[in-house]
Amino acid sequence: DAKTTQPTSMDCAEGRAANLPCNHSTISGNEYVYWYRQIHSQGPQYIIHGLKNNETNEMASLIITEDRKSSTLILPHATLRDTAVYYCIVRVPGNQFYFGTGTSLTVIP
Amino acid sequence: NAGVTQTPKFRILKIGQSMTLQCTQDMNHNYMYWYRQDPGMGLKLIYYSVGAGITDKGEVPNGYNVSRSTTEDFPLRLELAAPSQTSVYFCASRPLSLRVAEAFFGQGTRLTVV
Repeated sequence: DAKTTQPTSMDCAEGRAANLPCNHSTISGNEYVYWYRQIHSQGPQYIIHGLKNNETNEMASLIITEDRKSSTLILPHATLRDTAVYYCIVRVPGNQFYFGTGTSLTVIP
Repeated sequence: NAGVTQTPKFRILKIGQSMTLQCTQDMNHNYMYWYRQDPGMGLKLIYYSVGAGITDKGEVPNGYNVSRSTTEDFPLRLELAAPSQTSVYFCASRPLSLRVAEAFFGQGTRLTVV
C-alpha cells in the first residue's frame, strides 16, 4: 500500500471549515483513499473514502486531485468534538489497514 | 448488536507474566485485527485473521500470539510480558465484502508492564 504524508498538527477555529491535507504521490490505480479519526485514545472511527471522484457524507467531504497524488478532508463546520487525530490511509480494498501518525486537529473555541 | 468488544479495559502486568487480551465481535465479520498504539504514535498492526483457522503476521508480531477458532473471537496472547509491550491495544473487524469500506474498532485495552 502507498505511503501517505500528513502534517503533524493543525488548528481550526470553531465553526470554520477544517481542511486536512494528505499527500500520497505513489498511489496506484486500484488504491482507495480512506480517512479515519481517533478521538482521545478511543478506537479509530471511519469517516469517508474515495477512489477518483470527490465524495461527501454526513461527516465530511473528500477532495481528491485529478492526478490522485493528494487529497483533502474537509470538515465543513468544525466543532470542539472534532478535535482528534485524523489518519489518511491508502490501500487496495481487501488489504490491511496500516496507520501512520496522522494529523492532530485542535478545534479552538 | 454490541460491535467489537475488548476485555479487560485496563491491566497491569509484571515483567514475565502472561495474559490474554480478549476480542469478540457479533457482526459475523470475516476479518479481524490486532493493533497496538504507543503514546503519541499511530497504530501498528500486530496480527490479523481473514477467517476462522487463518491468521497472519502484521508489522510488529514479535512477543505475541493469536488464534482464531471461531468467527466471533480473536484473542491476543502475551507469553512473557516486557516493558516494551506497554501500550494500548485495539481490536478491529470488517466484513469480507469489498464494498464495505470501514473497519470497526473496539474501545481498546490499556496495558502497563512493570
